[in-house]
Amino acid sequence: ELKVEQNPLFLSMQEGKNYTIYCNYSTTSDRLYWYRQDPGKSLESLFVLLSNGAVKQEGRLMASLDTKARLSTLHITAAVHDLSATYFCAVTIIQGAQKLVFGQGTRLTINP
Amino acid sequence: SQTIHQWPATLVQPVGSPLSLECTVEGTSNPNLYWYRQAAGRGLQLLFYSVGIGQISSEVPQNLSASRPQDRQFILSSKKLLLSDSGFYLCAWEGNGYTFGSGTRLTVV
Repeated sequence: ELKVEQNPLFLSMQEGKNYTIYCNYSTTSDRLYWYRQDPGKSLESLFVLLSNGAVKQEGRLMASLDTKARLSTLHITAAVHDLSATYFCAVTIIQGAQKLVFGQGTRLTINP
Repeated sequence: SQTIHQWPATLVQPVGSPLSLECTVEGTSNPNLYWYRQAAGRGLQLLFYSVGIGQISSEVPQNLSASRPQDRQFILSSKKLLLSDSGFYLCAWEGNGYTFGSGTRLTVV
């Protein structure tokens, strides 16, 4: 059974600081997704990582993938309040059909 | 372009009442479709997926069922709601990545 674990689950940080969210998964997968969720809202796709060593950046967010370690990171640079949200990583597996399995989510709060 | 529609946005239902949530996709054919549930403050749990008309796979035993009467329509149902069915329900389709609907917040009272 595929397990996806995020660390930390809760993160409170100050504006201007850097931090990293970690996502570990237990079995081989061919792609990893990062999503953002604002309170009461649906999921917004941030990144999809397809290969070992993949790195993608959008604004203050950068995601990377190490398939050998089964680890992805979401790095936040010089955080701003608008980045406060819950961030989910998700990994695809094929069991009958391709499915997306989510981590528990990391609730990020950025304080002025 | 492909879009996904989900309704209603919010729903308050009494225990024991029936449920029907609908999801439709536009701009694609024969998509893989998914229903997820998110309990308050929790992650997303896959409930059902479908690879085609009439083809439904259930991930966890529960009080819910799903149907796919048309290629781009996916319906989540219950005959009698339980308090534990409360949550945020999201429909998704797999195309170029996974795209999620806007969600339905269900409160069972």
